[in-house]
Amino acid sequence: SQQGEEDPQALSIQEGENATMNCSYKTSINNLQWYRQNSGRGLVHLILIRSNEREKHSGRLRVTLDTSKKSSSLLITASRAADTASYFCATDPDRGSTLGRLYFGRGTQLTVWP
Amino acid sequence: DGGITQSPKYLFRKEGQNVTLSCEQNLNHDAMYWYRQDPGQGLRLIYYSQIVNDFQKGDIAEGYSVSREKKESFPLTVTSAQKNPTAFYLCASSARGAYEQYFGPGTRLTVT
Repeated sequence: SQQGEEDPQALSIQEGENATMNCSYKTSINNLQWYRQNSGRGLVHLILIRSNEREKHSGRLRVTLDTSKKSSSLLITASRAADTASYFCATDPDRGSTLGRLYFGRGTQLTVWP
Repeated sequence: DGGITQSPKYLFRKEGQNVTLSCEQNLNHDAMYWYRQDPGQGLRLIYYSQIVNDFQKGDIAEGYSVSREKKESFPLTVTSAQKNPTAFYLCASSARGAYEQYFGPGTRLTVT
C-alpha cells in the first residue's frame, strides 16, 4: 500500500500543550499534505510540503519531512480546544503529473481538553 | 460564494435500491474525486475524474458508478451490487496545476 500511516492513532492533551503527530509512507513522493477533519465534516487542507523541503511553518503549525526515512511530522504549538479534530496525512506519489490521486492515512484523533 | 456542495447531508435507503449522491463545485476545478470513509478508517478513493467525460477507477470502485458530463458536477451512484454501502461519502476537487484538494461537507448514507 502507498498509504501514509499516522502515529499515534489518538492523542489527548491539555490546552496550551504542543501536539505532535507523525506520518510514515512507503513510496517516493512529490509532496505530502496534512488535512484536518472536524467530526462529521469534510476535510480541510492545512499545509503542503514538497519533497525538496525539510520544514515548513504556517501559523501554529510546523511540518517536517524526512524523505530518507519516508516520514513527516505535524506539530501544533500552544493547542486550543478548537484544535480537537482528526488529522490526516496524504501523499502525492512522484509520478510526474498533477491532478492525480492522493493516498490518505487513517488519521490521528486529537483531543485538546480545556 | 465558492465551494463544493454535497446533497443531501443524510440519506437513507433500503437494501437493493440504487442511490445517487450529488456533488457540485463552482471553483472551476478540473479534477473531482469521490472517497468513502468508514469509522476509524482513512479515506479510500472510489473514482476520480481529471476532465469532463473522462474518469478512472480508484481502489474500491466495485458497486459504484459515476459520470462527468459537466465540469461542475460529478454524481456518484451507489448500486445494489455494493455489498456494504453504509458509510460517509466525501467529494473533493482540485485545480489544474495545484496539488491540494478541496472537500465538500459529505453525505452520510445508511442502507438497511
